[in-house]
Amino acid sequence: GAGVSQSPSNKVTEKGKDVELRCDPISGHTALYWYRQSLGQGLEFLIYFQGNSAPDKSGLPSDRFSAERTGGSVSTLTIQRTQQEDSAVYLCASSFGAEAFFGQGTRLTVV
Amino acid sequence: GESVGLHLPTLSVQEGDNSIINCAYSNSASDYFIWYKQESGKGPQFIIDIRSNMDKRQGQRVTVLLNKTVKHLSLQIAATQPGDSAVYFCAENKGGADGLTFGKGTHLIIQP
Repeated sequence: GAGVSQSPSNKVTEKGKDVELRCDPISGHTALYWYRQSLGQGLEFLIYFQGNSAPDKSGLPSDRFSAERTGGSVSTLTIQRTQQEDSAVYLCASSFGAEAFFGQGTRLTVV
Repeated sequence: GESVGLHLPTLSVQEGDNSIINCAYSNSASDYFIWYKQESGKGPQFIIDIRSNMDKRQGQRVTVLLNKTVKHLSLQIAATQPGDSAVYFCAENKGGADGLTFGKGTHLIIQP
């Protein structure tokens, strides 16, 4: 596709369930970022991939959060045993070079 | 010290006035800087960029200023319009494997 695609666009889940968020970056983009954004707040960095490796995982809030990227393309962010404080918009961005292009995000609501 | 929260600072301006949004960056080795605009319910969108060998760059109604001495970046929006209401983020590229680092953002509110 022409841009970064994220799915699902909205996800409502029960507390304690696992969720998987998907990001399809722009074809050829080697760098991929995950951010979290709570309502009315700034971007919280989660993880950065260069190719399939993650040189910076420093933003993952807890061991319930994990991410992987395969084939230098699609990435999945998995949250296990979701908590209400995990409710937020999860944004993915990709880049080749310096400028990053963002997806529209996945709005996660934990009830 | 550095803020640990992610609550956004807010800048409120009158429609038609000029807006100046400021950002401090952390790494003197950063060689590329970008401003993003995020409207409600959307992902951040690129506005304008500047390389470290420049101190000013102009776009359409926007100007970015870079002061490397004090590691400060600003975005100036001329004749602010209601459509400029958004959250504005600066980002620095440190090069290598470090990728992009985003600032916390500023919420620009336009008063009629």
